[in-house]
Amino acid sequence: SQELEQSPQSLIVQEGKNLTINCTSSKTLYGLYWYKQKYGEGLIFLMMLQKGGEEKSHEKITAKLDEKKQQSSLHITASQPSHAGIYLCGADLTGDKIIFGKGTRLHILP
Amino acid sequence: GAGVSQSPSNKVTEKGKDVELRCDPISGHTALYWYRQRLGQGLEFLIYFQGNSAPDKSGLPSDRFSAERTGESVSTLTIQRTQQEDSAVYLCASSPGVGTQYFGPGTRLTVL
Repeated sequence: SQELEQSPQSLIVQEGKNLTINCTSSKTLYGLYWYKQKYGEGLIFLMMLQKGGEEKSHEKITAKLDEKKQQSSLHITASQPSHAGIYLCGADLTGDKIIFGKGTRLHILP
Repeated sequence: GAGVSQSPSNKVTEKGKDVELRCDPISGHTALYWYRQRLGQGLEFLIYFQGNSAPDKSGLPSDRFSAERTGESVSTLTIQRTQQEDSAVYLCASSPGVGTQYFGPGTRLTVL
């Protein structure tokens, strides 16, 4: 079973529109990490969230961790072609290793 | 360099051959991870090393897969008797402990 679920699996959005990607676990998350992977390239660290209710922003990307620390959302405002790629959430579920969700493929239409 | 490096960047092999993939983590990072990423898929956890503790091998898909790490430095992932289903990008990441991981560029393995 997948311990970390991401939704949607794929997303196609018109340039300039807002979008949200979710990452959900049935277990309490010790830490939640968002990464972006451009097609055919390596992973780029975006943000880390650790505290319930925490919210962080970087440029037009905002990530939140819910109070129960079981769900995180990544929100992109006024999407641009540069936002296209695969967004991966990684989580520390046991206090040691980090596992990843299957990713959300984001396409931006011009 | 200051980042995680992996070699080779690309590896093409014939079915049934053994392959070795190498990862050089960031100096001082105690944790090292191996992941597999199939085409268009997310990251599949394979194995995790943390300091001198016994490695967490729970993600290794079969006994054809093994990995070693020398202290807190280089790690090698070995796949014996490769199968076509092993074709994927193998990613290595290191971190100072449990925290933000720094990923290498990956090794693209193609099994013919």
